[in-house]
Amino acid sequence: GQNIDQPTEMTATEGAIVQINCTYQTSGFNGLFWYQQHAGEAPTFLSYNVLDGLEEKGRFSSFLSRSKGYSYLLLKELQMKDSASYLCAVRERGNYQLIWGAGTKLIIKP
Amino acid sequence: EPEVTQTPSHQVTQMGQEVILRCVPISNHLYFYWYRQILGQKVEFLVSFYNNEISEKSEIFDDQFSVERPDGSNFTLKIRSTKLEDSAMYFCASSGGFGQSETFGSGTRLTVV
Repeated sequence: GQNIDQPTEMTATEGAIVQINCTYQTSGFNGLFWYQQHAGEAPTFLSYNVLDGLEEKGRFSSFLSRSKGYSYLLLKELQMKDSASYLCAVRERGNYQLIWGAGTKLIIKP
Repeated sequence: EPEVTQTPSHQVTQMGQEVILRCVPISNHLYFYWYRQILGQKVEFLVSFYNNEISEKSEIFDDQFSVERPDGSNFTLKIRSTKLEDSAMYFCASSGGFGQSETFGSGTRLTVV
């Protein structure tokens, strides 16, 4: 079956670093996406991994290990505006649809 | 920056009524999607559309749902006879190529009463 697991909620301090983990079990694999979603708004694309390793994009980095079915999103120099839900989504090989995790609600405290 | 546009932003409808949700994808994108998100729950895939036909659909996308691309710019989702459990945020998305990241519209909040 298909399963994507993320922590439900995390809290971090402004200026700090936080790592949000995602584990997945799917039939085949053709890429993992991280999206940010502020309450009441649409998801916005953050990063994409299809090969093992780290992808860096400014304050955000994402890591993938296909053999472990594991990814993480690393957010550095946290800002209050980073308070949002972070959604992990996987595309299975040959499929169009994204399979979504339930999201991790990140709370940033001053 | 190019946007996916959805209308209306909010719609309230009576149970059993038909609704049409409208989307204008990014103009040079080829792949179109509808997702829904029930309040407080995860995003769920409904359907993908490519080359003027449905390329994939989920179990949620039953006979009550249909999609259409009536012209070169619009992409619509029709729910034939709405049920209370259809109340959700409906997102349209588009991408430029298979496997590429999807750009989401701001959503239509559908409330069935």
